[in-house]
Amino acid sequence: KQEVTQIPAALSVPEGENLVLNCSFTDSAIYNLQWFRQDPGKGLTSLLLIQSSQREQTSGRLNASLDKSSGRSTLYIAASQPGDSATYLCAVWRNAGGTSYGKLTFGQGTILTVHP
Amino acid sequence: KAGVTQTPRYLIKTRGQQVTLSCSPISGHRSVSWYQQTPGQGLQFLFEYFSETQRNKGNFPGRFSGRQFSNSRSEMNVSTLELGDSALYLCASSLFQGLAGGRNEQYFGPGTRLTVT
Repeated sequence: KQEVTQIPAALSVPEGENLVLNCSFTDSAIYNLQWFRQDPGKGLTSLLLIQSSQREQTSGRLNASLDKSSGRSTLYIAASQPGDSATYLCAVWRNAGGTSYGKLTFGQGTILTVHP
Repeated sequence: KAGVTQTPRYLIKTRGQQVTLSCSPISGHRSVSWYQQTPGQGLQFLFEYFSETQRNKGNFPGRFSGRQFSNSRSEMNVSTLELGDSALYLCASSLFQGLAGGRNEQYFGPGTRLTVT
C-alpha cells in the first residue's frame, strides 16, 4: 500500500526566503508525482508533474525533483512571496495497472505561511 | 479552455437524505476521478470513470456511487447521508494517455462543500 508523507507539516518564513518542502513515498513503483497548491476552502491547482522517467521539473520560481529509488521528492520555492501562502500537497500515481487508474495517493500537506 | 467545473458549490443536507454532485471535465478529457477531503483523513480517492465505465474504486461504502455520461460529464451520489460524509468533494479530469509513460496530469475543480446536519 502506497503511503505518502510530507515534512514539515507547517512552515512559516519571511518574504524573500528560499525554501524546500519534502515528500516521501513508500512504494517506488510510480507513474508520476504531482505537486499541488490548495488555498483555504478551494480546489487544487497543479504546480508541477514529474514523470517517473524524469528527475526534475521547473516552472518559474518552482523546482521539483524526484528520486524514485529513495522514494523522495522535493519542491523548491525561490524568493518566496506572501502570495505563496497556501497548503502544498504532494501526490503519487502508483504503477499498479488497472488498480491505479485515476488514483492519486496524497500526503497530508505542508501549510506554508510567508509573512511580509 | 475552460477548467473543471463542479456544481453545486455548497450543499447542506440532513442525515438520511441523499445528494447528487456534478462534475464537467475539461473539454477532451475522458477520465474523471472523485476525491473526498476531510480534515482528519485528508484527500481520499473515491472512484474513476473513463468512457462511461468505472475503472477503479476506493475503499468507500456502497452508499457512494457514480456514473459518467457520453459527454464525459460525471455525477456522484451519496445515499443515506451520515454526519461523517461532511466534506469537500473534489473532481479531477485527465487526458488519459495510457499507463506506458503518458503525463496523465490531473486537473481539479473547485469542489463541492457538503455539510450534513
